[in-house]
Amino acid sequence: GAGVSQSPSNKVTEKGKDVELRCDPISGHTALYWYRQSLGQGLEFLIYFQGNSAPDKSGLPSDRFSAERTGGSVSTLTIQRTQQEDSAVYLCASSLLLETGRHIQYFGAGTRLSVL
Amino acid sequence: SQQGEEDPQALSIQEGENATMNCSYKTSINNLQWYRQNSGRGLVHLILIRSNEREKHSGRLRVTLDTSKKSSSLLITASRAADTASYFCATAKGGSYIPTFGRGTSLIVHP
Repeated sequence: GAGVSQSPSNKVTEKGKDVELRCDPISGHTALYWYRQSLGQGLEFLIYFQGNSAPDKSGLPSDRFSAERTGGSVSTLTIQRTQQEDSAVYLCASSLLLETGRHIQYFGAGTRLSVL
Repeated sequence: SQQGEEDPQALSIQEGENATMNCSYKTSINNLQWYRQNSGRGLVHLILIRSNEREKHSGRLRVTLDTSKKSSSLLITASRAADTASYFCATAKGGSYIPTFGRGTSLIVHP
């Protein structure tokens, strides 16, 4: 079956514009994560969705960032009024939650966002 | 802040040599995972080791975990040019479903 799909693969935008990044998780995966990866850095956790539970938004860096997950499947990460420091690769991952703590993540190829 | 940190940041070896990468973390964990990332791609899961395990093998990969030292190592034996990638460890604190990642080790294997 298909893996995690992210679109667009690349996005160039002007400072101050809003952008939407999309993630299609693996079918049947209940958990969905968004991470941000800046050049030479590790993955910075942004937000986590699990089933119908309220999302864990503790990693969102500012109120310009928001995300939703419709119907427990597709997720959209929205960045409003983009800034140059938002430039990064945004990675989405999904997983099946097995017993506590055992959650292997499957990643998409990411969206490379460049804010000019 | 990162829960796990990999060491070294960069590693350059010749094909056929072994590559060892280390990961240190700060808090108690349920398990530790290693992922690989090829340039411009997402991360791919390699191996998971539980907190009650000390060593695990998968093909040419060998992972050890020392919970008393809060550290893990990933050994790639008989490396190949195709092993060139960045390698990340990921840990989840007890009860958490959110793995956190280090900055990774960039491995270059020269043919």
